Order: sequence, then structure tokens, then C-alpha cells
Amino acid sequence: QVQLVESGGGVVQPGRSLRLSCAASGFTFSSYGMHWVRQAPGKGLEWVAVIWYDGSNKYYADSVKGRFTISRDNSKNTLYLQMNSLRAEDTAVYYCARTMVRGVIFNAFDIWGQGTMVTVSS
Amino acid sequence: DIQMTQSPSSLYASVGDRVTITCRASQGISNSLAWYQQKPGKAPKLLLYATSRLESGVPSRFSGSGSGTDYTLTISSLQPEDFATYYCQQYYSTLLTFGGGTKVEIK
Repeated sequence: QVQLVESGGGVVQPGRSLRLSCAASGFTFSSYGMHWVRQAPGKGLEWVAVIWYDGSNKYYADSVKGRFTISRDNSKNTLYLQMNSLRAEDTAVYYCARTMVRGVIFNAFDIWGQGTMVTVSS
Repeated sequence: DIQMTQSPSSLYASVGDRVTITCRASQGISNSLAWYQQKPGKAPKLLLYATSRLESGVPSRFSGSGSGTDYTLTISSLQPEDFATYYCQQYYSTLLTFGGGTKVEIK
């Protein structure tokens, strides 16, 4: 079945780095734009970043620009989020999500992973 | 960035009630609006996209309307499984944004 599974979360000290992964299955990964969305404890959803289906373009929320990098390996059906210079305010559950229309980057998200928790604390 | 203002932030309702949640964009978003339902500890679930198009498998008691900057999610007859938090999202701009959420609680 169509599925996204995140991994790589954990506890990390401020200023350090972490890389999240999102493994896709059940669909043609290389045809879809992919996003990262986060949710701080008890808070709402915050869009983080998007990458084109072929990796050719990327956009970031202002809150993570210059610190986070989204990437993908279509040969491995995997999406990544490299997070550098982490701050306490980056503490959140991180979800990967698929844009619902093949080849369209900005659209609703029809498939979400289960999320992975990142805690930034000394 | 386009700001999405959702109201109310929470509401109390009973099974069978008609519930309406609104979302206002800081500028026109040309119906590029989705609604999600999220239950505690779970990922969001897509309910509607393009303002009023129902995602496959979503019950018809959910409906959406709106245009320009103002959009509405309506649940025609609230069911026990509908108690959750609802979010709107605009995908008109390259910097996508969500509303702050509306928590629907049992009266």
C-alpha cells in the first residue's frame, strides 16, 4: 500500500545536526513533489520545506532557511531533511507528506508519514 | 507570506450538531485551500482540497465552500469520530501555510 515512514528523530543538543529520512513505498516516488511539515508539542502544523519531484527546486519556510536542507534520492525512494544549527524551537514531530497530484508541486497533501520526534535540548 | 486565520480556535458541540469552521486568508488564494483532520498522536488526514472537493473515502457530511479570502468547512451532522482538530491550508503560494487549528470537543 501507499506509505511513508519517517526515521532519524531523537534528542540532540542545541547547535548540533540531525538528518531525518522518509522512506516511500507503494507509488512512483519520482513523480511526486514532497514536503516536510512539523508540529511542536501542543501546537499547530507548520510547513517546513518542499522539493520538486526531480529534486530540481526547493523552497523553505523562513524559520529554517539557511539551516535545513531538503533532498531526495529517487533511486532509493527516500526523502531527507538535513537539520543543522538546531535550536530549542525546532523541537517538534516532523512529518513527510506527498503532494496529491503527480507532477504538481503546490497542492494538498494526500499521504502523510506517522511522524518522527525531534527534541532539541541540552 | 500568506497568513491563514482560522476561527474559532475551539468549539463545543454535540453529536448531530451542524458545525462550521472558517478560514480567512490575508490575500486571495483562488480556491487553493485544503482541510485536514487530526486526532491526538496521529498524522493529519486530508478531508477536502480545492476548497470543496472531497477526498476519496471521506464521508459526505463534510463539505467546503468559499472563494477569494474566505473559506468554510461544514460538518452537517457531527459524529463521535469527528471530535478532532481541524486545519486549513493554502497552497496558492510557494510558501505554504496552515491555519492555527480548530479543536472540536464534546459538549
